[in-house]
Parts: sequence; structure tokens; C-alpha cells
Amino acid sequence: KAGVTQTPRYLIKTRGQQVTLSCSPISGHRSVSWYQQTPGQGLQFLFEYFSETQRNKGNFPGRFSGRQFSNSRSEMNVSTLELGDSALYLCASSLSLREETQYFGPGTRLLVL
Amino acid sequence: KNQVEQSPQSLIILEGKNCTLQCNYTVSPFSNLRWYKQDTGRGPVSLTIMTFSENTKSNGRYTATLDADTKQSSLHITASQLSDSASYICVVSRMDSSYKLIFGSGTRLLVRP
Repeated sequence: KAGVTQTPRYLIKTRGQQVTLSCSPISGHRSVSWYQQTPGQGLQFLFEYFSETQRNKGNFPGRFSGRQFSNSRSEMNVSTLELGDSALYLCASSLSLREETQYFGPGTRLLVL
Repeated sequence: KNQVEQSPQSLIILEGKNCTLQCNYTVSPFSNLRWYKQDTGRGPVSLTIMTFSENTKSNGRYTATLDADTKQSSLHITASQLSDSASYICVVSRMDSSYKLIFGSGTRLLVRP
């Protein structure tokens, strides 16, 4: 079974631009969670999607949004990029909502200049 | 305030030696505690998950303990190998109306030959 895949793996943007990141969960998994990882803040929870609906949300501004499609694939969007948005964005999938075992993808490393 | 603190911040040990990583938390209400291993440039991989009623859980050479009374957990690595070099992240989930995962900042372990 293929693991969680994320595209692109690396991305460079400038301040003010927007970016869309993609995550394909493990086949059969219906829950997708997004995390931001920075050296200073560590891993922080962004949001969780299940059955195309956002079920949980972390403490991030409205510039961070996401969606999930009927095939469970998910996208995350960040608008009006700031320098502080430079981070590794990780996606994790699990069988169901609040499932104990999550499987992480390799992440998308975003650099904002 | 819901927090997860890990110690030490970094650790260097010789191959074959044992080590113990610590995690203290103040998260309430507590749902479960997870330990993840994250290799450089890759997403975290789940090692163990423990609920309130579990005191010890093993996964190969990794053994996690949980003391829900003192709100402390430890991850013991036996007979360390070079491949154990990674960051180890303690994550506590909070179960109330807003399910949330709270991450520790991690312990960076380096195993030297």
C-alpha cells in the first residue's frame, strides 16, 4: 500500500503570494490532518478533515485554509504569505476521525522570501 | 495552560548504550499520549500510543511509560543503533469539545559509533 504523498516537496514563494499544497492519504483512509513544523515552534496542528468537512482546527489565522475532496485527497491553502510561514508542512492520514494511529507524509518545505 | 515539555533538548550517546527521554505534560482533560520518531527531512512515525489506563507499552527496542498521576512519560531506548539518531516527539491529545493535539518540542538524539 502506498504511503501518504505530498506535493510539491519543495516550494519557494515571495511575501504576499498564495500557495496551495496537496496531500493524498493512504488508500482507504478518510481523515487528513495538516501540521506546520518550524524550528522555533515545533509541530503545530492546523486542521483535520473528514468526509470533506473540517472537523477540528488549531490556532492559526484565517489565511490558512483547507479542503478535502470526495476521494479524501486534501489541499491546504495559505494566502498573503508572510516570512514566518516558512516551514515544513506535514500531512497525516488515518482511517477515521481522531484515529489514534496517524501516518505522516514526507512534508512540503515552504520557503517565503 | 496546556503544555508538553520534553527533556533533554538534545542527547548524544554511544552505539549500544541505553537512554531515556522525558516528557512532562499539563494537558487536561487527557486523552492519550504518543511518541513519534522523526528522521531528518522526513515525516514523524508513530512509536507508541498510550491511554490513561496504560502504564507501559513496548515497540521493539522502544519502551514508553506513563504515569497519569504525575503527568509524566518516558521513552526508553535499549541497545541503541545508529539508525536511532532522530528527533523524538511527545504528543498529548486533549479530549473535550475541541479535540486537540499538543506537541512537545522534541529531543534530538544522536547515536555515535
